[in-house]
Amino acid sequence: AQKVTQAQTEISVVEKEDVTLDCVYETRDTTYYLFWYKQPPSGELVFLIRRNSFDEQNEISGRYSWNFQKSTSSFNFTITASQVVDSAVYFCALSTTMDSNYQLIWGAGTKLIIKP
Amino acid sequence: EAQVTQNPRYLITVTGKKLTVTCSQNMNHEYMSWYRQDPGLGLRQIYYSMNVEVTDKGDVPEGYKVSRKEKRNFPLILESPSPNQTSLYFCASSPGHSSYNEQFFGPGTRLTVL
Repeated sequence: AQKVTQAQTEISVVEKEDVTLDCVYETRDTTYYLFWYKQPPSGELVFLIRRNSFDEQNEISGRYSWNFQKSTSSFNFTITASQVVDSAVYFCALSTTMDSNYQLIWGAGTKLIIKP
Repeated sequence: EAQVTQNPRYLITVTGKKLTVTCSQNMNHEYMSWYRQDPGLGLRQIYYSMNVEVTDKGDVPEGYKVSRKEKRNFPLILESPSPNQTSLYFCASSPGHSSYNEQFFGPGTRLTVL
């Protein structure tokens, strides 16, 4: 079975703190892709990153960084020096070549609240 | 501008009154899909389409229908809506049939069934 678990339902931090959002996935496939999406209060889904299963290099984009570890089946997302505009629901998602639907399997999301 | 559009964005209706949510993409994408988003459950796939006239069920297809008569359009039909279909709906498209492809999402349709 394929599954994505985001155990943190809600995280609240004060602005400028660093925060890490956890994502753990399950799949038997050896080729798969992991995604992070942001959903701000306005409701749209904003693509943040895609990572394939053969590339375990960490990725950094400005204040955002992602740590992919196949050994623990995790793809965690860190925001450094958080800002109020980072407040949103963040989703981790999985797509595998075994899935003929080519669908994204989504975690339940983590609501991130950044307080000024 | 490359985009996926959905209409309406908000809809309040009553049980049993047929409705259609339209979805259109201008990127010539082959793959299109519908998801529903519910609190604590993330997004779940309702139906998907690999190409014109090719559609298939996702994980939660009960109570929904779709059609794909043209490449750009993929409407979601609720023949007899019920309150448990109250949800936030997203249409998505992607260039081809690959788990690699990024899916582009519409702005969402918030549906309330009374």
